[in-house]
Amino acid sequence: GAVVSQHPSWVICKSGTSVKIECRSLDFQATTMFWYRQFPKQSLMLMATSNEGSKATYEQGVEKDKFLINHASLTLSTLTVTSAHPEDSSFYICSASGGGAEKLFFGSGTQLSVL
Amino acid sequence: QKEVEQNSGPLSVPEGAIASLNCTYSDRGSQSFFWYRQYSGKSPELIMSIYSNGDKEDGRFTAQLNKASQYVSLLIRDSQPSDSATYLCAVLNSGYSTLTFGKGTMLLVSP
Repeated sequence: GAVVSQHPSWVICKSGTSVKIECRSLDFQATTMFWYRQFPKQSLMLMATSNEGSKATYEQGVEKDKFLINHASLTLSTLTVTSAHPEDSSFYICSASGGGAEKLFFGSGTQLSVL
Repeated sequence: QKEVEQNSGPLSVPEGAIASLNCTYSDRGSQSFFWYRQYSGKSPELIMSIYSNGDKEDGRFTAQLNKASQYVSLLIRDSQPSDSATYLCAVLNSGYSTLTFGKGTMLLVSP
């Protein structure tokens, strides 16, 4: 089946630093990628929809200047958490669409801990 | 605000029993519904999708959909300890290509 690679799997950083998370579709071209955040025992909350070659569409309440998304190619999207703070600690998951919600493939997730 | 509601559980069943997981949604225009399984610290994996009213069976799993009641369920027959996980209900938002997820129901299957 289709594979979406997400890196790193976990990261610990100091407050104020920036963290970049990569999401790659390994065997298909993903015109659309999605970034989710999940707090413990909570649902996946969509942060933004990333379209190749255009600006990301952010969900209400998500700061676009804090969570920078770049989708420079059909196989790579990146999420940069700028000036991370402890409240940004969460599980970040990307997903890539191979065409429709039925063909939505998830990355393995990134656990971010900000000290 | 489109919502997807699930009982957080945990739902505890003995091995071999039938586990019944329920989900309600608020968007009447939704046409596509999904069940995902998520193990702790891992990303979700798709188990079932359902689009039409009625039942859809796949192995030990049966998804049920009632659009009039805005209700989706997942039955797991012959539950196994390896089925212990959180099950997420997801609804494709009408007019969009994004999914809204419920908080998930934790299922515990005891040997």
